[in-house]
Amino acid sequence: GENVEQHPSTLSVQEGDSAVIKCTYSDSASNYFPWYKQELGKGPQLIIDIRSNVGEKKDQRIAVTLNKTAKHFSLHITETQPEDSAVYFCAASIIFLGGGADGLTFGKGTHLIIQP
Amino acid sequence: DADVTQTPRNRITKTGKRIMLECSQTKGHDRMYWYRQDPGLGLRLIYYSFDVKDINKGEISDGYSVSRQAQAKFSLSLESAIPNQTALYFCATSEQGFGSGELFFGEGSRLTVL
Repeated sequence: GENVEQHPSTLSVQEGDSAVIKCTYSDSASNYFPWYKQELGKGPQLIIDIRSNVGEKKDQRIAVTLNKTAKHFSLHITETQPEDSAVYFCAASIIFLGGGADGLTFGKGTHLIIQP
Repeated sequence: DADVTQTPRNRITKTGKRIMLECSQTKGHDRMYWYRQDPGLGLRLIYYSFDVKDINKGEISDGYSVSRQAQAKFSLSLESAIPNQTALYFCATSEQGFGSGELFFGEGSRLTVL
């Protein structure tokens, strides 16, 4: 089955600086790579995702890059703000032609701390 | 009201007791999932269901069972709870058919087994 490794487990950055979280996956058939943000006391929420036919995707201060050859993908947050403090999870899955994902395999999470 | 509702939100029980965690959704999604979250281990899939008649084991199904009572309801049971089942449990839903694989999570059920 799929195995997803995520690093670092904790990341502390100064407000306004950039943060980068990295993940690797093992199954070359995986073609869908989402990132989830979990705030304290809440369930994870999708913030951005990328499919294997795309190398990079941006949404305001958040970007995700994918290197299929190396089987790794990264989350980039620029101009970090206090509200970015949370736990972030990467995940990998296969989206079938008929649609839907067959269950996500998650990384172990990164606790991002934004220092004022 | 939340689209994915879990009950109870918190539960403390004793070893050997039977526990049921319930999940209901108003999103109209066919697919429902139960995940377990432990510190430092991320989210691990326990069971998932693609429709009322379809139940599948996930990565860590031992010691758990599920019931899909209706499209909107998916329950997780611990027949005889043990302390290493102490964790935060999440229910999630997703669409079937063309579209994203996005999961929509409930707010979690924290279970403590003494």
